[in-house]
Amino acid sequence: SQTIHQWPATLVQPVGSPLSLECTVEGTSNPNLYWYRQAAGRGLQLLFYSVGIGQISSEVPQNLSASRPQDRQFILSSKKLLLSDSGFYLCAGPRGEKLFFGSGTQLSVL
Amino acid sequence: LAKTTQPISMDSYEGQEVNITCSHNNIATNDYITWYQQFPSQGPRFIIQGYKTKVTNEVASLFIPADRKSSTLSLPRVSLSDTAVYYCLVGDTGGFKTIFGAGTRLFVKA
Repeated sequence: SQTIHQWPATLVQPVGSPLSLECTVEGTSNPNLYWYRQAAGRGLQLLFYSVGIGQISSEVPQNLSASRPQDRQFILSSKKLLLSDSGFYLCAGPRGEKLFFGSGTQLSVL
Repeated sequence: LAKTTQPISMDSYEGQEVNITCSHNNIATNDYITWYQQFPSQGPRFIIQGYKTKVTNEVASLFIPADRKSSTLSLPRVSLSDTAVYYCLVGDTGGFKTIFGAGTRLFVKA
């Protein structure tokens, strides 16, 4: 069955530092993949989605970027973090007609 | 994707039945209706999905009227552990980008 792996679980970074969050998928090939962010007490905001290798669509203009170097790998990056980048980052992929989420990364930018 | 409207929050007591209604007036013919549950610091978890009429599984029921412009998630005999945020989602989660609304924060009291 499909599994989504995310790491790290928790991350504390200073303002202006770079970021790289990785998401890998097992048990499926060429899945659509999604990056979401959730600010404290808020709903999920779709950041990026990818339908295949090298294909990235951005939903919200920001200082984040995403890449899909391999079929089952989806990476979220930033060159310089802002305070407003703090939040809970979730990677997701489809399982049939449903979305299945990774365990998330809690990012605190200080 | 069809926009959804849900109550921001609801309160209930243990043992009661809880019904959360979601409006989706511009649902498309191919859209499914899916509900997710989210606990703090976790990714959303699939609860139930339907297309029309009624669907029931081991945790919930989903009622969808003939016009499909709304849906109601029914949680029988809630417990304290059902305190969570519940999201209504309309669309094809397997093939297209997926956007979550603000969700309904359910608080179950003893």
